[in-house]
Amino acid sequence: EAGVTQFPSHSVIEKGQTVTLRCDPISGHDNLYWYRRVMGKEIKFLLHFVKESKQDESGMPNNRFLAERTGGTYSTLKVQPAELEDSGVYFCASSPQQGRSGANVLTFGAGSRLTVL
Amino acid sequence: AQSVTQLDSQVPVFEEAPVELRCNYSSSVSVYLFWYVQYPNQGLQLLLKYLSGSTLVKGINGFEAEFNKSQTSFHLRKPSVHISDTAEYFCAVSDGYLIQGAQKLVFGQGTRLTINP
Repeated sequence: EAGVTQFPSHSVIEKGQTVTLRCDPISGHDNLYWYRRVMGKEIKFLLHFVKESKQDESGMPNNRFLAERTGGTYSTLKVQPAELEDSGVYFCASSPQQGRSGANVLTFGAGSRLTVL
Repeated sequence: AQSVTQLDSQVPVFEEAPVELRCNYSSSVSVYLFWYVQYPNQGLQLLLKYLSGSTLVKGINGFEAEFNKSQTSFHLRKPSVHISDTAEYFCAVSDGYLIQGAQKLVFGQGTRLTINP
C-alpha cells in the first residue's frame, strides 16, 4: 500500500509569490488533514477534510491559505500571496473512516518544506 | 483545550543506555495518546499509540510508553538505545474529535534525541 505522498518536498519562493502544495492520501482514506510546523515550534493542525468536504478549518491562519480536495481524492493547499512567516514544513495526513482497519490513527506524509524569502 | 508538554527539547544519551522522553498532557476528557518519530530527512512515523486497555503500550523498535491518568503523563522509554534511534520524537493527544473516525491531534514541541557512541 502506497503511503501519503506530498509534492514538492521543498519549495523556495519570494515573498508575495504563490505556492501550491499537493497531497495524495492513502487510497480509500476519507479523512485528510493538513498540519504545519513553523521553525522549532510544535506541529499545528490546519484543517480536516472528510471526502471533498471541509469538516474543520479552524487552524487555517488567514485567508491567504486555500485548501481544496476536489473529488475527494488528492488535496492542494495554496498560499497566495506568501509571507515570510509562512515558512515551515507542511504535513499532510490521512486516515480511514470509523469502523475500518486503521481508523483513529493518522498516517503522515514526509512533508513539504516551504521557504519564503 | 488540550495541550501537550514535552519537558525536554533535547536529550543526549550514550549508545546502549536507557532513555525516557517525558510527555505530559492536559485534558478534561478521555484521550487517545500517540508518539510519532521523525528520522532525519523523513516524515512522521507512528511509534505507538494508546487508545484504550492496558496502560503499558509497546511500539516499534523496542519503544514502550505508559499511560498514567492520575499524573496525566505518557512517557516514552527504551531500555537500550542504538545510534539509529537518533531522531525527533513527538508526543500527541487527540482533541476528542471522533467524527467519521477522524483525529484532531495536538502535538508537543518535540524532543530531539541524540545518541552518542
